[in-house]
This record gives sequence, structure tokens and C-alpha cells, in this order.
Amino acid sequence: AQTVTQSQPEMSVQEAETVTLSCTYDTSESDYYLFWYKQPPSRQMILVIRQEAYKQQNATENRFSVNFQKAAKSFSLKISDSQLGDAAMYFCALYSGAGSYQLTFGKGTKLSVIP
Amino acid sequence: EAGVVQSPRYKIIEKKQPVAFWCNPISGHNTLYWYLQNLGQGPELLIRYENEEAVDDSQLPKDRFSAERLKGVDSTLKIQPAELGDSAVYLCASSPGQGANTGELFFGEGSRLTVL
Repeated sequence: AQTVTQSQPEMSVQEAETVTLSCTYDTSESDYYLFWYKQPPSRQMILVIRQEAYKQQNATENRFSVNFQKAAKSFSLKISDSQLGDAAMYFCALYSGAGSYQLTFGKGTKLSVIP
Repeated sequence: EAGVVQSPRYKIIEKKQPVAFWCNPISGHNTLYWYLQNLGQGPELLIRYENEEAVDDSQLPKDRFSAERLKGVDSTLKIQPAELGDSAVYLCASSPGQGANTGELFFGEGSRLTVL
């Protein structure tokens, strides 16, 4: 079984500042993907960033970047220059493609952005 | 390109009543998922379809929940009878076929169920 743990139920950040959301995971698979999804209030969940486990280089998408520590099974999300529109629930998710094809989510971190 | 479409967005019913949710995935996406999301929690998989075949329904409470995807396109999730604990958001998601799947799912806006 694979698990995803987000230990920060809530976080807040000042507008224009930087915030880091934490995630740890566990899987016995060697081939997997990690994701951060964003779910604004009453709106659909969208993909923020994706990391392939076989890639050593950390993924970056504009103001969003990850710190992927494979040995430690850690996958944190850094949001730079935070904007009001970044306020949402953020879910870390793990996907194993080798047979199980299962996407497992963490419990989420609610991010508030303070003007 | 149209996204994943779900209906209804909101549903309020009395306990013991039946309810059904409908989902139309992105065109060409062979894989369809139904997730349950309780308040303040992450989504939990109920069932996954590859075309019309339910390939993972191990988490679907089969005594009261059922799902179908008869033609391998749209899908219906049914609860009968509904219980108070079924109040939650039911998310539908889709992705390209299994062989091309990198785990990125495309979600609908969800159907929020309230059972009174």
C-alpha cells in the first residue's frame, strides 16, 4: 500500500512572500510520479506541478517549484511571490504506474494568503 | 476543449432515498475515476474504469453504491439507499488510456451531496 502524509493542515503567507508546503510519502514501487494539486473553494481540482521519480532535477512551473528528496521520500512545494489567487487547498498525490495505476492523495493543506 | 462535466452540482435528499450522479469525461479519455471527498479531506478512490470495464472497485461499498459506464464514455454513480454519512463531494476525473497514463487526472467540479 502507498501512503501520502501532509502534516500541515493549515498554512498562511503574506502576499508576495514565499511559502513551503510539506509532503512525505511511502511506496514500494520504483516507478512513480508525484503531484501537487490545487483545489480553490467550490472549484475543480487542477494540477499545479508534477515530478517523475526517475528525474533528479526538481520540477518548476513559474512561481511553483518542488524539493524532491527521493531517499527521504519527501516532496515539498514552494510557492514564490504568493498571490491572493493562490489561496486554496493543496493536495500532494502519489501515482504508481507499475500495475496499480493508483493515485493516492494526502489530506491536504489549506493555504491562506494575507493581503 | 470541454473539460470533465458532472451533474448535478448540488443535491439534497432525505436519508434512505436514492441518488445518482452523472459524469462525462474529456473526449478520448479512456480512464474514468469516481472519488469521494469528505469535508477537509483528500479524495479517496471509489472506482476506476478502463473503457467500460471496472478495473478497480475495491473501495466501492457495494451494498449501497453502484456505478456503470456502459459505452465506455459517460458514467453514472448511484447510491441506494443514502445514509447520513454519505454527505460528501463526489468527484469524477478522467485521464488518457492506461498505457499513456502518467497519473495526471482531470477533474470535474464535483457533486456535493447532503443527506438529511
